[in-house]
Amino acid sequence: AQSVTQPDIHITVSEGASLELRCNYSYGATPYLFWYVQSPGQGLQLLLKYFSGDTLVQGIKGFEAEFKRSQSSFNLRKPSVHWSDAAEYFCAVGDFGNEKLTFGTGTRLTIIP
Amino acid sequence: DAGVIQSPRHEVTEMGQEVTLRCKPISGHDYLFWYRQTMMRGLELLIYFNNNVPIDDSGMPEDRFSAKMPNASFSTLKIQPSEPRDSAVYFCASSLGSATGELFFGEGSRLTVL
Repeated sequence: AQSVTQPDIHITVSEGASLELRCNYSYGATPYLFWYVQSPGQGLQLLLKYFSGDTLVQGIKGFEAEFKRSQSSFNLRKPSVHWSDAAEYFCAVGDFGNEKLTFGTGTRLTIIP
Repeated sequence: DAGVIQSPRHEVTEMGQEVTLRCKPISGHDYLFWYRQTMMRGLELLIYFNNNVPIDDSGMPEDRFSAKMPNASFSTLKIQPSEPRDSAVYFCASSLGSATGELFFGEGSRLTVL
């Protein structure tokens, strides 16, 4: 069964600093990978996705993620965070032909001035 | 488009009462999902529909939970009888399908069972 692990429950970063959120997946074939963001009191919004091709994918709000098959990872990065990036971030894995997504437990991001 | 619309946004009820959560998906989306979010278990997929037909309900916790989609623009998730452990935020999401992976989530219904 497919699964996703987000090892960091909570991360605190200074505004303007770089960010990397970790995601490891378990899946038998090439997975479909996603990052979603959830602002307080809101539903989840898609940041970016990887299906195939270039392993570095760009998303909205200046985020990017890199798929590394050898490490079973899909880490999310941003070179300089803004206070508005404070939110919860979820990594998810999907399966071609199956619309189900399996979400990780999330990483809560706090931004300090 | 107005996005996925859920109601009510907040529901407080007493144990044993029936709870009905409602969802209107984005027009034209073929897939509808119900997720539950709790601190302990994170986001869990309860059930999803394709063209109004339930495809996978393996995440529905027990018989107290039921979901219907009578037409393409409306779905309900019902809990009867409700229990305190059902307290959670319930999200509805819809998608175009075709393995796009992009789910559009509603703002959620926060359920508290006393």
